[in-house]
Amino acid sequence: KAGVTQTPRYLIKTRGQQVTLSCSPISGHRSVSWYQQTPGQGLQFLFEYFSETQRNKGNFPGRFSGRQFSNSRSEMNVSTLELGDSALYLCASSFSGTGEGEQYFGPGTRLTVT
Amino acid sequence: GNSVTQMEGPVTLSEEAFLTINCTYTATGYPSLFWYVQYPGEGLQLLLKATKADDKGSNKGFEATYRKETTSFHLEKGSVQVSDSAVYFCALNSGGGADGLTFGKGTHLIIQP
Repeated sequence: KAGVTQTPRYLIKTRGQQVTLSCSPISGHRSVSWYQQTPGQGLQFLFEYFSETQRNKGNFPGRFSGRQFSNSRSEMNVSTLELGDSALYLCASSFSGTGEGEQYFGPGTRLTVT
Repeated sequence: GNSVTQMEGPVTLSEEAFLTINCTYTATGYPSLFWYVQYPGEGLQLLLKATKADDKGSNKGFEATYRKETTSFHLEKGSVQVSDSAVYFCALNSGGGADGLTFGKGTHLIIQP
């Protein structure tokens, strides 16, 4: 079974631009969660999508948004990029959601904002 | 709110040494506890988990026991290998997952031959 895939793997953007990251979950998984990983703050939960609906949300500003498609693929969008948005963005999939606990992570997208 | 505390390191050991990475937590209710490992340039891989008090999770020679009385979930391995060099994250999940997984800062483990 193929694992979680994320595209692109690396991205460089300029402050003020917007960016869209993509995540394809493991086949059959209906939940996709997004996390931001930075050296200072560590791993922080952004949001979870389940069956095309945002089910849970972390403590991030509205510039961070996402969506999920009917095939469970998910995209995350960050608008008006700031230098502090530079991070590794990880997505994780599971069959029934974050309450299940066991999540499978992708390799991440490394976003650099200059 | 939920929180996880673990030593950040780096922790440097010689091959075949005994490993302990401490992890303590604060959480509402009865969380599930996890250890994830991250190798350079990769995402996180679930190493082991425990879902209730006194459960022992184990995998690839690593073990951790869910201790509710001390709110701890320390990771141990009897004899480490160079290939165990990675960053290890302790994490918890509670409240039905409304806050996603809560992670510790990660412990960078370096095993020298």
